[in-house]
Amino acid sequence: DSGVTQTPKHLITATGQRVTLRCSPRSGDLSVYWYQQSLDQGLQFLIQYYNGEERAKGNILERFSAQQFPDLHSELNLSSLELGDSALYFCASSPTTGTGETQYFGPGTRLLVL
Amino acid sequence: GNSVTQMEGPVTLSEEAFLTINCTYTATGYPSLFWYVQYPGEGLQLLLKATKADDKGSNKGFEATYRKETTSFHLEKGSVQVSDSAVYFCALKRRDDKIIFGKGTRLHILP
Repeated sequence: DSGVTQTPKHLITATGQRVTLRCSPRSGDLSVYWYQQSLDQGLQFLIQYYNGEERAKGNILERFSAQQFPDLHSELNLSSLELGDSALYFCASSPTTGTGETQYFGPGTRLLVL
Repeated sequence: GNSVTQMEGPVTLSEEAFLTINCTYTATGYPSLFWYVQYPGEGLQLLLKATKADDKGSNKGFEATYRKETTSFHLEKGSVQVSDSAVYFCALKRRDDKIIFGKGTRLHILP
């Protein structure tokens, strides 16, 4: 158990809908990262927040957005969903930021768009 | 651009065999390098890391050395076990905190 929690575990929705994925980092960790894992694209870094501020941006679509709240939990919002958004979404956290920081991954949210 | 290339899987070995999973990278500057492991139905776990050239990361019998001259970070283990069956990801983290993962290598260990 990494100490990172993600809810929900599974989500089934329809095209065009909007969903929110939630992540609680390990106690004391200030950085939160979001990743998308799919069969065709592999593991893609989406976005990182550090202490409430956006820190780094990867391959995140404009239909997706994220935020980190004062209590350090984070939410990833996915809107106008398409079939291709079906994937496993991981959240990870680390104590601070920096190239050598170890990230601790949550168990993931599996999203299925029908 | 920055990228990570791993050997394609699946890799199938017998128990107690020697393991090498190749990883090469392209990056500007001096990234940190990581190996993560993903067991079935779980998230990724850090296996080992190296933050500068010639550093060797090691954990649970696995080792990898940061080779700047060959831009490589190959994962090795002298004697694999059935419990090592998983997907292994090589990754680099740049100074701007962007992380790039390889496509993963699935490892099957036969008893």
